[in-house]
Amino acid sequence: KAGVTQTPRYLIKTRGQQVTLSCSPISGHRSVSWYQQTPGQGLQFLFEYFSETQRNKGNFPGRFSGRQFSNSRSEMNVSTLELGDSALYLCASVGEGQSGVEQFFGPGTRLTVL
Amino acid sequence: AQKVTQAQTEISVVEKEDVTLDCVYETRDTTYYLFWYKQPPSGELVFLIRRNSFDEQNEISGRYSWNFQKSTSSFNFTITASQVVDSAVYFCALSEGVGDYKLSFGAGTTVTVRA
Repeated sequence: KAGVTQTPRYLIKTRGQQVTLSCSPISGHRSVSWYQQTPGQGLQFLFEYFSETQRNKGNFPGRFSGRQFSNSRSEMNVSTLELGDSALYLCASVGEGQSGVEQFFGPGTRLTVL
Repeated sequence: AQKVTQAQTEISVVEKEDVTLDCVYETRDTTYYLFWYKQPPSGELVFLIRRNSFDEQNEISGRYSWNFQKSTSSFNFTITASQVVDSAVYFCALSEGVGDYKLSFGAGTTVTVRA
């Protein structure tokens, strides 16, 4: 079974630009969550999508948005990039593991805003 | 308020020593789930264990063991006979309620195992 994939792995943008990150969950998983990891704030929840609907949202400005497609692939978009958006963006796919519901994370997209 | 507290920022040990990572959580829900993840330098979060609030049984998996105590709201993690490959950042996380997959993470503990 293929794992969670995220593209691109690395991205460099400049302030004011916008960016789209992609996440493909494990086959059969319908829930995708996004997290932002920074040295200062740690790991913070952005939002969760389940069956194409946003089911939960973290405390981030409206510049951060996402969507999920019918094949469960998800994208997140950040508009008007700021220096503080530089972070590792991790996507998680939720499914059944040996010990019950588990969240499997992808390798992340490292975004640098210059 | 911080829902998950990992008081230890960094721990450094010599190979073969045991390492215990502390995790204290806070929730008002009676149904919740606790997790431990390992993040090696590559950045990917590797799932280690999930424990629900109704199962206080301690668990051992190879050199890893977990001690869940609801009375003290703690879910501690021990690596026995540590190895250099155990060097990573370890995160404790909490999800609350049924069907809520949002994870609240602790700040993480960096473990360095020296040869």
